[in-house]
Amino acid sequence: DGGITQSPKYLFRKEGQNVTLSCEQNLNHDAMYWYRQDPGQGLRLIYYSQIVNDFQKGDIAEGYSVSREKKESFPLTVTSAQKNPTAFYLCASSKGQGINSPLHFGNGTRLTVT
Amino acid sequence: SQQGEEDPQALSIQEGENATMNCSYKTSINNLQWYRQNSGRGLVHLILIRSNEREKHSGRLRVTLDTSKKSSSLLITASRAADTASYFCATGYNAGKSTFGDGTTLTVKP
Repeated sequence: DGGITQSPKYLFRKEGQNVTLSCEQNLNHDAMYWYRQDPGQGLRLIYYSQIVNDFQKGDIAEGYSVSREKKESFPLTVTSAQKNPTAFYLCASSKGQGINSPLHFGNGTRLTVT
Repeated sequence: SQQGEEDPQALSIQEGENATMNCSYKTSINNLQWYRQNSGRGLVHLILIRSNEREKHSGRLRVTLDTSKKSSSLLITASRAADTASYFCATGYNAGKSTFGDGTTLTVKP
């Protein structure tokens, strides 16, 4: 079955530590995205990538970093510079450059930083 | 910044009734999409409607788009308990990225 796999489902870290969230897709999609969701709210775009080796900042990129070395993979690092990292993180992908293409989502990683 | 805003924030209905939720947005768009999110899960795409379309159907779902009013509505007919979820609109434009609203939480009581 084609889809997006995010791992782990739950992640716990101490304040001051960097942490990397995994996102892998086997849909052969060009574009990939990272969103953050806080309780009772919508999704806010962190980073997106429309092609391998290229990515763009979204609305809330500060304190986050990404890489796109392979088409299938788009890992997100939450750095110690992110002031409020506890959140639900969702990875998505879409066909082509993403315009007029629906997003396919993984089931998310819930990150708790204490 | 949030582009789409859903209304109402929460909606509670009985099974078999229709549910209508609305989305308003601020700037020109290429398309508008509706997604469903079950608690603690990722979002599932429901319908994409392009800016030159006015209405689209998929099973029990009907979406309308009024670009002059910058608004869209999602109608779920003959609702079921399994339709209980949060529903989000997302507006897509030339940057190739979609911007989401805060969602409508729908509860369908059996």
